[in-house]
Amino acid sequence: DQQVKQNSPSLSVQEGRISILNCDYTNSMFDYFLWYKKYPAEGPTFLISISSIKDKNEDGRFTVFLNKSAKHLSLHIVPSQPGDSAVYFCAASGWGGGGNKLTFGTGTQLKVEL
Amino acid sequence: ETGVTQSPTHLIKTRGQQVTLRCSSQSGHNTVSWYQQALGQGPQFIFQYYREEENGRGNFPPRFSGLQFPNYSSELNVNALELDDSALYLCASSLTSQADTQYFGPGTRLTVL
Repeated sequence: DQQVKQNSPSLSVQEGRISILNCDYTNSMFDYFLWYKKYPAEGPTFLISISSIKDKNEDGRFTVFLNKSAKHLSLHIVPSQPGDSAVYFCAASGWGGGGNKLTFGTGTQLKVEL
Repeated sequence: ETGVTQSPTHLIKTRGQQVTLRCSSQSGHNTVSWYQQALGQGPQFIFQYYREEENGRGNFPPRFSGLQFPNYSSELNVNALELDDSALYLCASSLTSQADTQYFGPGTRLTVL
């Protein structure tokens, strides 16, 4: 049962344009959401997060939007840069007797082209 | 401030053997979580340790076990290795057991032949 889903395995965007990465979740107990970026042969790097009491959080070029009623979140990167090319993971957190674990999606490979 | 470190970087074992992976948490963090990432998948939660006690466990068999030491470093032990255990093993630390943001190390790539 995939509780966090990233339905687009890959996304290609031109440099300078907006990248939009999407994520859906099914578990209503999730109350905190995070995006991680991962380069090959490295561990995931924390990018940005949002609490379920908010609908938007912004940090520089990165903005995360949360739509609780639709159980959907998205990451916007504006403007996209070649160094943004990586795999992006959406993760959700919520207490449920199993520790404060993160539940990850399967990732979206973003390629920013010149 | 040092980040999360893991050792070794790569490891090759044969089926049936045992393996120990090590993790040093980020300075000031008292909680460590371990994840398994198979090829093409997102990381899967194995377990979490807080102040030397297991604080939650994912859907992994008992042959996956762990330890946390007084300095908050941690070990992941896997007994009776199977071919499907081949994966990237990630350690993540967080400020407290209730902190939502976890910071990951570079991982240990385990290959079981």
